[in-house]
Amino acid sequence: EPEVTQTPSHQVTQMGQEVILRCVPISNHLYFYWYRQILGQKVEFLVSFYNNEISEKSEIFDDQFSVERPDGSNFTLKIRSTKLEDSAMYFCASRGLSNQPQHFGDGTRLSIL
Amino acid sequence: GQQLNQSPQSMFIQEGEDVSMNCTSSSIFNTWLWYKQEPGEGPVLLIALYKAGELTSNGRLTAQFGITRKDSFLNISASIPSDVGIYFCAVDNYGQNFVFGPGTRLSVLP
Repeated sequence: EPEVTQTPSHQVTQMGQEVILRCVPISNHLYFYWYRQILGQKVEFLVSFYNNEISEKSEIFDDQFSVERPDGSNFTLKIRSTKLEDSAMYFCASRGLSNQPQHFGDGTRLSIL
Repeated sequence: GQQLNQSPQSMFIQEGEDVSMNCTSSSIFNTWLWYKQEPGEGPVLLIALYKAGELTSNGRLTAQFGITRKDSFLNISASIPSDVGIYFCAVDNYGQNFVFGPGTRLSVLP
């Protein structure tokens, strides 16, 4: 069964450094998402992306964050200057049509030192 | 923002017991979903519900979309050790994103 893949599985970064999290959504999907889950808490929406542009973003997704679909297969989340509170699991998700469920990757654990 | 409530927050059950958990919202949503998350992994879709009153099964799992469109429940019959995990309900926020509940942590004792 097709799946969403994320790399790396674990990223350790010094505070203030830039980090790029990568995702390969399911190949025929059109809608892409990033979510964040701080340890022990619920999954929180960050941003949705459709037709090569951001369609929705939460208040968490401030100017430090950006997303890009640099080619036909990758979907990336960049955090420009990481803060300690950015430490979390970051999940990518995709779906084919707007009324279909989202499928999640296994996440990238981001640890900011 | 939109908020979902799940109960119970956590539960400890004996293997073989049935489990019931629910999810409520103050707003109406037209799609309800149940995901399971195991340690170190992403949420995995269990059941998607698209119609008020709908009752859907997936193996030992059964979920219902409440008639008011403000709640849903998930039942697990004859629990086994691999049912351990966090069960999240989620709603499709009118095509914009998914809103997740805080989760129900399930522990199954042998």
